[in-house]
Amino acid sequence: EVQLVESGGGLVQPGGSLRLSCAASGFTVSNNYMSWVRQAPGKGLEWVSLIYSDGSTYYTESVKGRFTISRDNSKNTVYFQMNSLRTEDTAVYYCARAVYGGDSYWGQGTLVTVSS
Amino acid sequence: QSALTQPRSVSGSPGQSVTISCSGTISDVGGYNYVSWYQQHPGKAPKLMIYAVSKRPSGVPDRFSGSKSGNTASLTISGLQAEDEADYYCCSYAGSRVVFGGGTKLTVL
Repeated sequence: EVQLVESGGGLVQPGGSLRLSCAASGFTVSNNYMSWVRQAPGKGLEWVSLIYSDGSTYYTESVKGRFTISRDNSKNTVYFQMNSLRTEDTAVYYCARAVYGGDSYWGQGTLVTVSS
Repeated sequence: QSALTQPRSVSGSPGQSVTISCSGTISDVGGYNYVSWYQQHPGKAPKLMIYAVSKRPSGVPDRFSGSKSGNTASLTISGLQAEDEADYYCCSYAGSRVVFGGGTKLTVL
């Protein structure tokens, strides 16, 4: 059974850092492209980052230079290092497999709150 | 990086059909056949309803269908049921990035 379990969210002050984890089971993350998608409270979905099977990574403009997506193949886990956090980064962060494909699968999300 | 344009809300009575549009550009919707549609109920993760413009994942009722013409994709839901009431988002590959629509709230009257 395919499962994605996000963790690492929480309350952080502006300028702070958090690392999100996305533990996968039922498939191999390194054979798929994985994304992070966020949803601010009461707002729509926003694609944030993507890592392909070849290791190439892509980001939405607003997080370039601040956020880093990576994976640990031995742990079958995808990570999202978020630095220099801003209040506008407050959102539920979803980990998703194949976000624009037919075998798309999403985790339940983890809430990140950036506030002083 | 503009979001795809969707109507903020649509509504229909049980048994009727509704269509939700998703307008983009040649750089996203019009340039690739990687348009997906997601359904999201409150407090839940999005669920894939349509991928590759018009394909349905297993388990999704054939009441849901997708199409594309030029830079605009559409999701049609026929035979509306109460459980279809949700937010719907279109999603498109856009060459090394992904873009979502702003979302459409479907109300079943």
